[in-house]
Amino acid sequence: DSGVTQTPKHLITATGQRVTLRCSPRSGDLSVYWYQQSLDQGLQFLIQYYNGEERAKGNILERFSAQQFPDLHSELNLSSLELGDSALYFCASSVSGGTYTEAFFGQGTRLTVV
Amino acid sequence: AQTVTQSQPEMSVQEAETVTLSCTYDTSESDYYLFWYKQPPSRQMILVIRQEAYKQQNATENRFSVNFQKAAKSFSLKISDSQLGDAAMYFCAYRSGLNNNDMRFGAGTRLTVKP
Repeated sequence: DSGVTQTPKHLITATGQRVTLRCSPRSGDLSVYWYQQSLDQGLQFLIQYYNGEERAKGNILERFSAQQFPDLHSELNLSSLELGDSALYFCASSVSGGTYTEAFFGQGTRLTVV
Repeated sequence: AQTVTQSQPEMSVQEAETVTLSCTYDTSESDYYLFWYKQPPSRQMILVIRQEAYKQQNATENRFSVNFQKAAKSFSLKISDSQLGDAAMYFCAYRSGLNNNDMRFGAGTRLTVKP
């Protein structure tokens, strides 16, 4: 168990709908990263938050948005969903400094758009 | 932004043999960290090994070791005595040591282990 919790594990929704993916980072981790992984593809970096502030942005579509709340959990909002948005969405967290330098990953949310 | 390149989409190794997965990265930073993650069919991302850029000594974790060439910006993963359970996607990752802690991944290498 990595300590990073993502909900829901699976989500099936129709095109045009909006969904929210939730991530609870490891206790004490200030950074949260969101990645998208389409079938048999690599990890596409979407966005990163650090202690509530946006720190880095990748290839995130305008239909997608995210935020990190004061309790450090994060949400990724996907709207006007298209078939091509079907993917595994990972959240990862890390702490700045300290013993651990790597990012710890959640189990992912598998989104299916029908 | 930093880029990570894995030039081998697929690799194959015979059980008990050794295989090396390649990774190169591009950065202007001097403080950073490098990682190899393993993604088995369960899709869980599992850390295999980490390397701090300021350390000259190559990291080793049991059968896994890296060849870190800082000047060449190369970070390869060597798997010795390959086992069937090593079959997975392997991702190379770069994390900035600056405050933004930006973290990027390569496209991945799919490793097949033949019995």
